[in-house]
Amino acid sequence: QVQLVESGGGLVKPGGSLRLSCATSGFPFSDYYMNWIRQAPGEGLEWVSHINSGGTIHYADSVKGRFTISWDNAKNSLFLHMNSLRAEDTAVYYCARGFDGQLGMDVWGQGTSVTVSS
Amino acid sequence: QSVLTQPPSASGTPGQRVTISCSGSSSNIGSHYVYWYQHFPGTAPKFLIYRDDQRPLGVPDRFSGSKSGTSASLAISGLRSEDEAEYYCAAWDDSLSGQVFGSGTKVTVL
Repeated sequence: QVQLVESGGGLVKPGGSLRLSCATSGFPFSDYYMNWIRQAPGEGLEWVSHINSGGTIHYADSVKGRFTISWDNAKNSLFLHMNSLRAEDTAVYYCARGFDGQLGMDVWGQGTSVTVSS
Repeated sequence: QSVLTQPPSASGTPGQRVTISCSGSSSNIGSHYVYWYQHFPGTAPKFLIYRDDQRPLGVPDRFSGSKSGTSASLAISGLRSEDEAEYYCAAWDDSLSGQVFGSGTKVTVL
C-alpha cells in the first residue's frame, strides 16, 4: 500500500528554521518525482518544490533561496529544510508523489502544520 | 494571485451537471497537460483528472475533464452531496519553471 506520512511541523518564530520529513512506503521511491505543496489558512493550494533521483530540483519563487528540498533514498524519505521563516509560510505542508514525471501528483500525505509566529 | 484562474464557487442540485473553468496562458495550459484535484478540508487532496481528460482508477465517470487552447474545464454530472468540496486545476508553467495551481472552486450541493 502506497503511503506518505509527513512530520516535523510545529510553532517557530519568524526568522527561525524547521525541517519537515515525509516517510514513504509501498513504492520504489527513487523512481518518482516527489513534491511539497502547502495550503495557508483560508487560501488555496500552492506548489512549493520537487525533486527527482536525477538531481532535478525546482522551487516556487516564494521560497527560493530559503527552502531546500532533499531526500534520503536509503530511508525512502523526503525532506524540506525551511530557513528564514516568515509569517506567510504558515500553512499545512503536504508531500505528494509525482505522476507524469514532474507533472501531476497522484498520492498525497495527510499534511503537517507549520505556524510561524512570535 | 494564482496563475490559473477559477471561479470561487459553483453550485447545483443533486443530479445536475456542474462545470468548473480554469483559465491560463500559453506558458501553462496552452502547452502542458492539466490536472484536477478534489480537496475536502482537513484531508489529503485527491487526484481526480490527469492529462487533461483521463480519470485515475477508482474515480467515477461522473467526473470529466476537457481542454481547449489556454482553458480547461472539469464537469461533474449527476451531482451528489459527497461531491461538495474544493476543486483545483494545476499545470506546469514554463515561465515559472514550476507547477501552478488554480485559485480553487468551492462546489456546493444545494
